[in-house]
Amino acid sequence: NAGVTQTPKFQVLKTGQSMTLQCAQDMNHNSMYWYRQDPGMGLRLIYYSASEGTTDKGEVPNGYNVSRLNKREFSLRLESAAPSQTSVYFCASRRTSGRGRTHSYEQYFGPGTRLTVT
Amino acid sequence: GQQVMQIPQYQHVQEGEDFTTYCNSSTTLSNIQWYKQRPGGHPVFLIQLVKSGEVKKQKRLTFQFGEAKKNSSLHITATQTTDVGTYFCAGRYGGSQGNLIFGKGTKLSVKP
Repeated sequence: NAGVTQTPKFQVLKTGQSMTLQCAQDMNHNSMYWYRQDPGMGLRLIYYSASEGTTDKGEVPNGYNVSRLNKREFSLRLESAAPSQTSVYFCASRRTSGRGRTHSYEQYFGPGTRLTVT
Repeated sequence: GQQVMQIPQYQHVQEGEDFTTYCNSSTTLSNIQWYKQRPGGHPVFLIQLVKSGEVKKQKRLTFQFGEAKKNSSLHITATQTTDVGTYFCAGRYGGSQGNLIFGKGTKLSVKP
């Protein structure tokens, strides 16, 4: 199993350019997440998808869009990149318990995409 | 919104010294998870605490969850250079389906 994979690993964009960050998981997890990590700020949730066909905003969604293409893939799109979006982006997935059950599972993170917007 | 405060932000220790990082929430957590991120790497799950007053150990690492389920700590005994990295706590509110709220992390450096 590859776990969670992300492409690309590195990207440099000019202000105003657009791009899509790709994420895929092969663990048959229902939930997927996009985080950004900035120095001293920890991990902040951008968007998440609790199951195939659903997406919801997290803490910092402005300037981003997402697509849950199927159960495996969850992409993050920057329509018009800004220098404030320079960051490391992590995708994560999680197995979720069935309705009425209370177990909470850990998140598995991808290796990250280091994005610089100039 | 909900916040998980984590201190200290940085900790420099001599190899063999102990290390502790603390997390606090103003409201009760459903559970708390701990992650470790090595320099240049991605967060990796360490453990989850669910019950009030729970204590779990992994070799030299001891994790505690407070009685009120509002605070947690990670203690490393006799640090080694392999312990270098950033340790994050992540609290979950509102049951097993709630999202994780990450603390800002404690960056540990170990001098050999």
